[in-house]
Amino acid sequence: DAGITQSPRHKVTETGTPVTLRCHQTENHRYMYWYRQDPGHGLRLIHYSYGVKDTDKGEVSDGYSVSRSKTEDFLLTLESATSSQTSVYFCAISAWRGTQETQYFGPGTRLLVL
Amino acid sequence: EDQVTQSPEALRLQEGESSSLNCSYTVSGLRGLFWYRQDPGKGPEFLFTLYSAGEEKEKERLKATLTKKESFLHITAPKPEDSATYLCAVQAPKNAGGTSYGKLTFGQGTILTVHP
Repeated sequence: DAGITQSPRHKVTETGTPVTLRCHQTENHRYMYWYRQDPGHGLRLIHYSYGVKDTDKGEVSDGYSVSRSKTEDFLLTLESATSSQTSVYFCAISAWRGTQETQYFGPGTRLLVL
Repeated sequence: EDQVTQSPEALRLQEGESSSLNCSYTVSGLRGLFWYRQDPGKGPEFLFTLYSAGEEKEKERLKATLTKKESFLHITAPKPEDSATYLCAVQAPKNAGGTSYGKLTFGQGTILTVHP
């Protein structure tokens, strides 16, 4: 457990509505990631951050933006939600535990875009 | 482009029936191979990181091994509580600019069901 929380945990919204998902961590990790998980596609990287105000695109970044104004918070924004963005969104942090590096995942946010 | 293929897609075992899950990968230099367990409605739970061919790691009834082309997750005498989806992911080395962003490329997962 790396002290990762996500909010909201569930959200239903309408097409065209802006949506912001929040990821909060308590252990001061530098690297944070947003993934989406869909049947048939597995987990795919949307955006990542390597420090405050330092972010970059992943493989499925179209329609998404991110911001990181504090180490502990990484926000994912859908500027104008579409039905194709219905998914489960996971936040992750990168951490070393002894000699092992890994990414720890949050509990996820289920988003339904109607 | 990094690719990860897991097989089988689904595996049904009787309690105590040992088996293996396969993860085949192609990556432009492997920085690490990760195994996760995911229960329905939850986030992936970290199991192992493997770094080099020949490396093995164990945790309870699970043992992960790594070759240059694939990884195996061996499950010995499984119990019903081992039922879950098992995910494999690879991590490429640092990019040319030196900023290591640690992107993971995941496989589709293997759904394991263990019957009592």
